[in-house]
Amino acid sequence: DTGVSQDPRHKITKRGQNVTFRCDPISEHNRLYWYRQTLGQGPEFLTYFQNEAQLEKSRLLSDRFSAERPKGSFSTLEIQRTEQGDSAMYLCASSLSGHNEQFFGPGTRLTVL
Amino acid sequence: RKEVEQDPGPFNVPEGATVAFNCTYSNSASQSFFWYRQDCRKEPKLLMSVYSSGNEDGRFTAQLNRASQYISLLIRDSKLSDSATYLCVVRPTDKLIFGTGTRLQVFP
Repeated sequence: DTGVSQDPRHKITKRGQNVTFRCDPISEHNRLYWYRQTLGQGPEFLTYFQNEAQLEKSRLLSDRFSAERPKGSFSTLEIQRTEQGDSAMYLCASSLSGHNEQFFGPGTRLTVL
Repeated sequence: RKEVEQDPGPFNVPEGATVAFNCTYSNSASQSFFWYRQDCRKEPKLLMSVYSSGNEDGRFTAQLNRASQYISLLIRDSKLSDSATYLCVVRPTDKLIFGTGTRLQVFP
């Protein structure tokens, strides 16, 4: 257990529904990252925050995806109008700025039927 | 071309064997390099950072060749518990760029 928690751990939804995931980073970490991992691939970067500011977004993050970190602590990732191609493991990681290591949470596994 | 390329394996080796994984990266501006380990259906965990001078942590040795943009991981005296996927990771900016991972299976 790295100290990063994610909720829910599993989510099954029907195509077209909206889903929201939550990540709680290690408490003193000011950076929070979201990645997506599909079967047989490494994690792919989606977006990251330093405190409450969203500093970078991948082109993978279509306009159906939105992420927030309103108070600089926990973060949410929302996917609107889910598609079958959104099925993946969504991983959250946190770090301290100036430190290399990112600590990953257990992930939320999304299945879109 | 992917930013980080790895042989996906699988590598099937007996206990006690020495196994080497290689990785190449395309962004010459990358500053930091890592090997992460990922067990089946679990999150990635940092195995070790990789430094230009090469570094060792017990049975694990990592090497970096900046000129060739090449990273390696050597595992000596493989254990059953080493069975996992090994992810080569580079950090050109603040985000991590992962390879597809190399799967290792150590058998008795």
